[in-house]
Amino acid sequence: AQSVTQLDSHVSVSEGTPVLLRCNYSSSYSPSLFWYVQHPNKGLQLLLKYTSAATLVKGINGFEAEFKKSETSFHLTKPSAHMSDAAEYFCVVSEAGGYSTLTFGKGTMLLVSP
Amino acid sequence: DVKVTQSSRYLVKRTGEKVFLECVQDMDHENMFWYRQDPGLGLRLIYFSYDVKMKEKGDIPEGYSVSREKKERFSLILESASTNQTSMYLCASGWGGTDTQYFGPGTRLTVL
Repeated sequence: AQSVTQLDSHVSVSEGTPVLLRCNYSSSYSPSLFWYVQHPNKGLQLLLKYTSAATLVKGINGFEAEFKKSETSFHLTKPSAHMSDAAEYFCVVSEAGGYSTLTFGKGTMLLVSP
Repeated sequence: DVKVTQSSRYLVKRTGEKVFLECVQDMDHENMFWYRQDPGLGLRLIYFSYDVKMKEKGDIPEGYSVSREKKERFSLILESASTNQTSMYLCASGWGGTDTQYFGPGTRLTVL
């Protein structure tokens, strides 16, 4: 069975400093991994997706994530936080491709201060 | 752009009422999903569908049913609403054979 653990429920950074949101996963197969972002009172938006083509995945808005199989991790990073990055971020795992359902982490709230 | 719309952003209903939440997508997606989102619990899958008139139970189907009569529309039904069904409900869709999902804006349902 697949599962995902987001290691921090809240992360606070200052504008212009790096962002690190941590995610560990468990999967019996070669997983697909995603990061989604949810701004207040909005639906979820896909940030990036890993599908085994490359271990470093670049997403929208300057975010990227690195797949590390030995550590079963898929941490999300951004070199310099912007105020508009303040949102909730979800790490998501999917097994077995197209006919698998998604399993969501409980979310990490990113707070950005001026 | 993929567009997934949900019929209401906010909804207030009374205990025991029958509630319909509608979701429509305009990308000819085969797959459609209903989730509920609660603080500290993330998203939990209620029901999903890979084709018209087809449905599968997710992780928390109790108290809910679904209908998919047309490819673009997926309805979530609360047969008799209860206060513990107060939540944010999110619909998503995606192409068949892929696992990427696109989400609607959500419906915040309050059951009094």
